[in-house]
Amino acid sequence: DVKVTQSSRYLVKRTGEKVFLECVQDMDHENMFWYRQDPGLGLRLIYFSYDVKMKEKGDIPEGYSVSREKKERFSLILESASTNQTSMYLCASSRQGWANTIYFGEGSWLTVV
Amino acid sequence: AQSVTQLGSHVSVSEGALVLLRCNYSSSVPPYLFWYVQYPNQGLQLLLKYTSAATLVKGINGFEAEFKKSETSFHLTKPSAHMSDAAEYFCAVRVGQNFVFGPGTRLSVLP
Repeated sequence: DVKVTQSSRYLVKRTGEKVFLECVQDMDHENMFWYRQDPGLGLRLIYFSYDVKMKEKGDIPEGYSVSREKKERFSLILESASTNQTSMYLCASSRQGWANTIYFGEGSWLTVV
Repeated sequence: AQSVTQLGSHVSVSEGALVLLRCNYSSSVPPYLFWYVQYPNQGLQLLLKYTSAATLVKGINGFEAEFKKSETSFHLTKPSAHMSDAAEYFCAVRVGQNFVFGPGTRLSVLP
């Protein structure tokens, strides 16, 4: 089975802190994604990466950055956390190719106080 | 631009009743379509996917969906709802290497 692991399920951070959300996949997938999920808004893409050291902005990249130094790991960074970044963050991965499925991690609940 | 709409943010059915969750897409190319389910405090799990092999797609847990090109729809159905089906359901379309998700439909199953 494909495994996408997010290192932290629940985090509480203070406004202005730098926050790292880590994600690891074990299926040698080329593509990795970070989504944000908010009630009534569904999933919104923050960033995605189709190869090591490559990244593309999604729909809502402002206030976020990402890092992909190794194929299996994709990190989301909040440079200076703000209360409006309180949300559920979902990491996902997939193979390249139209018919391939996207697999999700369990999610990270971030609260910024 | 490709997009996905799901009619009804919240659907309630009685246990044993038919489940119908609606999904319509817009796509300029033949679509690859997916349904995902999310249980409380968990990530999304794949229910089924359409990749042009057959218009009626069967998935896990008794769910199925039918691709109708003329209606640009990919509605999800299950003949008989079970309490364990209570969750949020997302329809998605693949766009290049990316995925576009609908806003989700929360399914409640009443005893």
